[in-house]
Amino acid sequence: DTAVSQTPKYLVTQMGNDKSIKCEQNLGHDTMYWYKQDSKKFLKIMFSYNNKELIINETVPNRFSPKSPDKAHLNLHINSLELGDSAVYFCASSQDLVGGGEQYFGPGTRLTVT
Amino acid sequence: GNSVTQMEGPVTLSEEAFLTINCTYTATGYPSLFWYVQYPGEGLQLLLKATKADDKGSNKGFEATYRKETTSFHLEKGSVQVSDSAVYFCALHNTDKLIFGTGTRLQVFP
Repeated sequence: DTAVSQTPKYLVTQMGNDKSIKCEQNLGHDTMYWYKQDSKKFLKIMFSYNNKELIINETVPNRFSPKSPDKAHLNLHINSLELGDSAVYFCASSQDLVGGGEQYFGPGTRLTVT
Repeated sequence: GNSVTQMEGPVTLSEEAFLTINCTYTATGYPSLFWYVQYPGEGLQLLLKATKADDKGSNKGFEATYRKETTSFHLEKGSVQVSDSAVYFCALHNTDKLIFGTGTRLQVFP
């Protein structure tokens, strides 16, 4: 049983398109996160949700919109994709905000924008 | 503000060599400290943690001690294996988010 799963694993698309990445966790955790990892492996938090409420919204373009239909799911929708959006996107979860240092990561979605 | 600095890689070692990856931090308050590992093509996994000063975290032969006086959390392993080849991230957690260092790639050769 995969604890944190993401789909798709690979996503290749053209500039200007709109795409979504889905994330699900079966750990019963309250808090979920989206991270972006660039080609140099630098990892930056984008968003976090706690019990479906937005907690962290870093300086991310508003073309990126997270949605949490329930606390087990956190999806990421990206409008008008740009070349600079190419990266690996990781979803993660933690028990709660207080325990937010112990995070469980998904396998990542490699997004390539051409 | 909060930040984590770790040594640039790659670190290249022969099997059974001693490993140290340096990590220092800047934080307000009393953060918890972590090491995460990322194997090729995978997501990050928690390797070890320490929640207060002088705590030692350990797992799979790796260990790190939370040193408040030097604001450091260096990762060590006495004898590395080829299977330890990965990218290692030092991180701190303060209030609501994890702050990661830039990662250090470790390459172990037989």
